[in-house]
Amino acid sequence: GQSLEQPSEVTAVEGAIVQINCTYQTSGFYGLSWYQQHDGGAPTFLSYNALDGLEETGRFSSFLSRSDSYGYLLLQELQMKDSASYFCAVYPNFNKFYFGSGTKLNVKP
Amino acid sequence: DADVTQTPRNRITKTGKRIMLECSQTKGHDRMYWYRQDPGLGLRLIYYSFDVKDINKGEISDGYSVSRQAQAKFSLSLESAIPNQTALYFCATSDPGLADNEQFFGPGTRLTVL
Repeated sequence: GQSLEQPSEVTAVEGAIVQINCTYQTSGFYGLSWYQQHDGGAPTFLSYNALDGLEETGRFSSFLSRSDSYGYLLLQELQMKDSASYFCAVYPNFNKFYFGSGTKLNVKP
Repeated sequence: DADVTQTPRNRITKTGKRIMLECSQTKGHDRMYWYRQDPGLGLRLIYYSFDVKDINKGEISDGYSVSRQAQAKFSLSLESAIPNQTALYFCATSDPGLADNEQFFGPGTRLTVL
């Protein structure tokens, strides 16, 4: 089966940098994705890592280490609008994703 | 206009009632998915479909059924609703031709079963 672990909640101040970790156990692996979800809203795609290393998209970066079954999402120059839940999701085969339970990020002034 | 739409957005029903949630998309994607989300939990896959003739069970399909009426439409039914099916339901689409495997989500349907 599949399992993903990520912290349930993280708090940081505006302007800071925060890292949200995700460890996974899967029977197969094609890639790791990150999604953002504001309260009551739809999840929206942030990034996808299929290979080891860092992918950067503006203020957000995502890292993957396949040998360690580990990834993280790095958010820089935090803004109040970044307060949301962040989900990692693994792609163990070519059919479907499995999502983690989510990390609620609280950004304080 | 939204690319993935869901109706209704909110629904309150009673135990034992049959209910259908509908999803439509204008993205032209073949792959469609139904997820449920409970507080403190991530998205769990109920059913998925890769084309009109292809329907597959996800992690938690018991108590649910689906119908893929056309490439653009994928409906989820609760044959006899029960209170523990109270949740937020999302439809999503994807295109296997996209390198990043992005899933595009609808706005969600908040279902309450009394």
